[in-house]
Amino acid sequence: GENVEQHPSTLSVQEGDSAVIKCTYSDSASNYFPWYKQELGKRPQLIIDIRSNVGEKKDQRIAVTLNKTAKHFSLHITETQPEDSAVYFCAASIYGNEKLTFGTGTRLTIIP
Amino acid sequence: DTAVSQTPKYLVTQMGNDKSIKCEQNLGHDTMYWYKQDSKKFLKIMFSYNNKELIINETVPNRFSPKSPDKAHLNLHINSLELGDSAVYFCASSQGRGANEKLFFGSGTQLSVL
Repeated sequence: GENVEQHPSTLSVQEGDSAVIKCTYSDSASNYFPWYKQELGKRPQLIIDIRSNVGEKKDQRIAVTLNKTAKHFSLHITETQPEDSAVYFCAASIYGNEKLTFGTGTRLTIIP
Repeated sequence: DTAVSQTPKYLVTQMGNDKSIKCEQNLGHDTMYWYKQDSKKFLKIMFSYNNKELIINETVPNRFSPKSPDKAHLNLHINSLELGDSAVYFCASSQGRGANEKLFFGSGTQLSVL
């Protein structure tokens, strides 16, 4: 089955700097890659997703890039703010498959 | 109007007891899920139902039994609770059946087994 690895497990950045979280996946047939954000004590929420027919997608300060050849995708957060502090999960799935496989999570801390 | 609601929010119980967690979604979605999040924050799918039909059943002990009386409800019953069952259990729903659907999570049930 699909295996998703996520790095780093923890990340601290100064407010205003950029943060990058990376994930690799094992199944080359994977074609859907969402990112979920979970604030402390809250539920995970989808923040951005990308499908394999595009290489990059942006939404204001967040962007996701996909390298299908290398089988990795990354989340980029620019101009970080305190409210960006959370645990971020990447995930991968194959179209038509029932199961979404999550990465192990990255705890991002923004230092004021 | 909470989209996906689950009760209770906290559940503290003794080993060996039986407990249930309830979940309801008012989004009109066809698919519902149970996820387990352990102390290291790993999110693991346990079960998935589509229109009351079980479609995912991960290697979960048979002490865990999901029940979907209709497509808006998915409950989780746990028999003979063990210490290792302590975790946060999230209910979720999605519009369709495939894994490339957006998941809407409930607020979680923190289960503590003493």
